Amino acid sequence: DIQMTQSPSFLSASVGDRVTINCKASQNINRYLNWYQQKLGEAPKLLIYNANSLQTGIPSRFSGSGSGTDFTLTISSLQPEDVATYFCLQHNSWPPTFGSGTKLEIK
Amino acid sequence: EVKLLESGGGLVQPGGSLRLSCAASGFTFADFYMSWIRQSPGKAPEWLSFIRNKANSYTTEYNPSVKGRFTISRDDTQNVLYLQMNTLRVEDTAIYYCAKHLGDFWGPGTMVTVSS
Repeated sequence: DIQMTQSPSFLSASVGDRVTINCKASQNINRYLNWYQQKLGEAPKLLIYNANSLQTGIPSRFSGSGSGTDFTLTISSLQPEDVATYFCLQHNSWPPTFGSGTKLEIK
Repeated sequence: EVKLLESGGGLVQPGGSLRLSCAASGFTFADFYMSWIRQSPGKAPEWLSFIRNKANSYTTEYNPSVKGRFTISRDDTQNVLYLQMNTLRVEDTAIYYCAKHLGDFWGPGTMVTVSS
């Protein structure tokens, strides 16, 4: 299985800050990388697909970049409603595998 | 509006069986691949299985962690996705989600607890 190493595990930032979360794949996954947001008690919600495509209805402050093995999710200006855990997912090869998650809180 | 609603979870003893269902609406169910994903408390999700559409012969894929014990199926006439789970283990305890296509939309999940 492809291993996804996500960092950091925890992140505390202020409203308005620029926030970045990283995922590194154990082998080349091209651009087959999704980012999800999971709020407490809810199912994960797709934010970004195929590394840099914004899912319909997701605010433009969310963006994704990267290809190959290194990927980044950026929130350009952190909002209170962004408190959540964020996961990356590779879907280049079976089985799809998730990163371990980044818990984001507001300072 | 896309909707997915899982049901069938509950408490089961080790070695037992459960069948989960996922009722879909708001999209042309028959056109899409569908998936089951689970998440143990405090852990990252784990992709279990997906089933392709009729155009792709309803072929299936399974995570090795559940292959041979779990079976995915679908009823395109009723817009329902199923997961038959046999020989359940304590480590299968999790919230089970169905997801449209390759994870672009998830249901709220159903809790499965395997315990004696």
